Amino acid sequence: QKEVEQNSGPLSVPEGAIASLNCTYSDRVSQSFFWYRQYSGKSPELIMSIYSNGDKEDGRFTAQLNKASQYVSLLIRDSQPSDSATYLCAVNEDAGKSTFGDGTTLTVKP
Amino acid sequence: DTEVTQTPKHLVMGMTNKKSLKCEQHMGHRAMYWYKQKAKKPPELMFVYSYEKLSINESVPSRFSPECPNSSLLNLHLHALQPEDSALYLCASSQDTTGRYGYTFGSGTRLTVV
Repeated sequence: QKEVEQNSGPLSVPEGAIASLNCTYSDRVSQSFFWYRQYSGKSPELIMSIYSNGDKEDGRFTAQLNKASQYVSLLIRDSQPSDSATYLCAVNEDAGKSTFGDGTTLTVKP
Repeated sequence: DTEVTQTPKHLVMGMTNKKSLKCEQHMGHRAMYWYKQKAKKPPELMFVYSYEKLSINESVPSRFSPECPNSSLLNLHLHALQPEDSALYLCASSQDTTGRYGYTFGSGTRLTVV
């Protein structure tokens, strides 16, 4: 079983819709959770981090964490074509090592 | 300065060549990382340096040799690579050695081994 699993894509939503990206992890000692955005041909960029159960909002992005269910999600409200990218979920064990999921490719159609 | 700078951006090398990838950050970050990313795959950890000392080697073949000359610089020396080593090589840094604040990635070096 993979340590970090993301919902299989690709995911396509119309402009203005809510995009929902999901991630589960297997290691209960994980402490820090991240979402990175990676445009095609570019490097990953950290867009959200979350450490405690509940929701964390930053602009149009909301990260949700449920440690009991070992589940992390990212909601993108009012999706824009510029949000089209691959979104990588990453889990950190506080030992300096982050493990990445395979990524979900999002396409926002105008 | 909030960037991680990697050079070169593109590199083509033969299987008998020796080359080096360079990475630099001036954010005062205490840990630096090398990741390898193949097309449509997630980044895979290769090495971690904490306070300039190698702390994690993910069983990487010896044809990849990391070096951390100081707290701002990270090199990856390449020798006798194989075509399957062609990938995007990403350098990253983190504020502290736990990595709990996430990574800042460089733009990467796209390596092609011929």
